[in-house]
Amino acid sequence: NAGVTQTPKFRVLKTGQSMTLLCAQDMNHEYMYWYRQDPGMGLRLIHYSVGEGTTAKGEVPDGYNVSRLKKQNFLLGLESAAPSQTSVYFCASSPSSGLGNQPQHFGDGTRLSIL
Amino acid sequence: AQTVTQSQPEMSVQEAETVTLSCTYDTSESDYYLFWYKQPPSRQMILVIRQEAYKQQNATENRFSVNFQKAAKSFSLKISDSQLGDAAMYFCAYRSQWGGSEKLVFGKGMKLTVNP
Repeated sequence: NAGVTQTPKFRVLKTGQSMTLLCAQDMNHEYMYWYRQDPGMGLRLIHYSVGEGTTAKGEVPDGYNVSRLKKQNFLLGLESAAPSQTSVYFCASSPSSGLGNQPQHFGDGTRLSIL
Repeated sequence: AQTVTQSQPEMSVQEAETVTLSCTYDTSESDYYLFWYKQPPSRQMILVIRQEAYKQQNATENRFSVNFQKAAKSFSLKISDSQLGDAAMYFCAYRSQWGGSEKLVFGKGMKLTVNP
């Protein structure tokens, strides 16, 4: 049972380069999320999706784009990477219970360094 | 907007003893959910315990229990019989019952060290 899988696990980029982080879940969850984790800041929501073909902005969306073309996949893109985007990125998913008590399931994170 | 505050950035506890991690939150909502997540050095985010605001009874999961004080907007985590494997970052999180997205708002986290 894979759960939430993030690809890649590590990446180093140069300023101005672009890349896409892939998140895949095999639990048939409706909701998917991208967070970033910085030291002393906890996890902050970048973008999220409440279903296939939908996306919405979270707390810190600037500099990122997302797409959810298939229910099981949620892609996070950096068009022009900046050093401020150096962080650990987490993807999560949860079912749409409508109650809010279902926990989010997290991937193992992607450590991204921008030089 | 809701906020979650974990005022203690670090704590330490002796193995086999009890430790309490504090969390406060700010919300104008009456129905919501609260969670504690654990992040060991492996970086995984692991659900420890959850609490529904409408339930007066405090949640428990084996050695983990919470003290939920709704009026005070406080949600502390108690770890009994601490083990070396409990050493990790601990995050408190809030989720609104409404809104249709079930987003989590996290505190900044607290690093727990367990001394043998």
